[in-house]
Amino acid sequence: EPEVTQTPSHQVTQMGQEVILRCVPISNHLYFYWYRQILGQKVEFLVSFYNNEISEKSEIFDDQFSVERPDGSNFTLKIRSTKLEDSAMYFCASSVGQGKDEAFFGQGTRLTVV
Amino acid sequence: QKEVEQNSGPLSVPEGAIASLNCTYSDRGSQSFFWYRQYSGKSPELIMFIYSNGDKEDGRFTAQLNKASQYVSLLIRDSQPSDSATYLCAVNPNTGNQFYFGTGTSLTVIP
Repeated sequence: EPEVTQTPSHQVTQMGQEVILRCVPISNHLYFYWYRQILGQKVEFLVSFYNNEISEKSEIFDDQFSVERPDGSNFTLKIRSTKLEDSAMYFCASSVGQGKDEAFFGQGTRLTVV
Repeated sequence: QKEVEQNSGPLSVPEGAIASLNCTYSDRGSQSFFWYRQYSGKSPELIMFIYSNGDKEDGRFTAQLNKASQYVSLLIRDSQPSDSATYLCAVNPNTGNQFYFGTGTSLTVIP
């Protein structure tokens, strides 16, 4: 069964360093998302991406964050200068369409900023 | 602010019983509603989605939607210990393509 894959599964980085989280969405899906979940808290929307551009972003997704689809398969989230409060589980998701279509989540990348 | 509220629980039911999970949402224009299951340390896994008022059944799971009351629920019949997880309600307000999640309800099925 097709699935969203994320790498790495766990990333430890020093405060102020840049990190890139990688995702391979399901191949026939057109909409891609990043969500995060701080330990013990709700899943929060960061950004959605369609047709090679950001279609929607939340207040969390500030100038420190960027997304890119560098080739036909990968979808990346970059955090330019990590802060302690960026420590969270980051989930990539994809869907065929928007709105009514369900999103399928990858297994997540646990980011720990020290 | 579009809110999705869930009773955080924990909810405990004996094996074989019916577990009832509830969710309310604030955006009256919301059109799509999803239930995800999340095991500890794992990613959300889609269980069901519902768009229309009424009930939708899939195996042991039934989703119920009442748009007038802005209420969506998930019933799990014949609960199994493997159903023990956190259940996330997610709502798409139809004004964009993001999902708003509730904080989740922790369910424990006692053997």
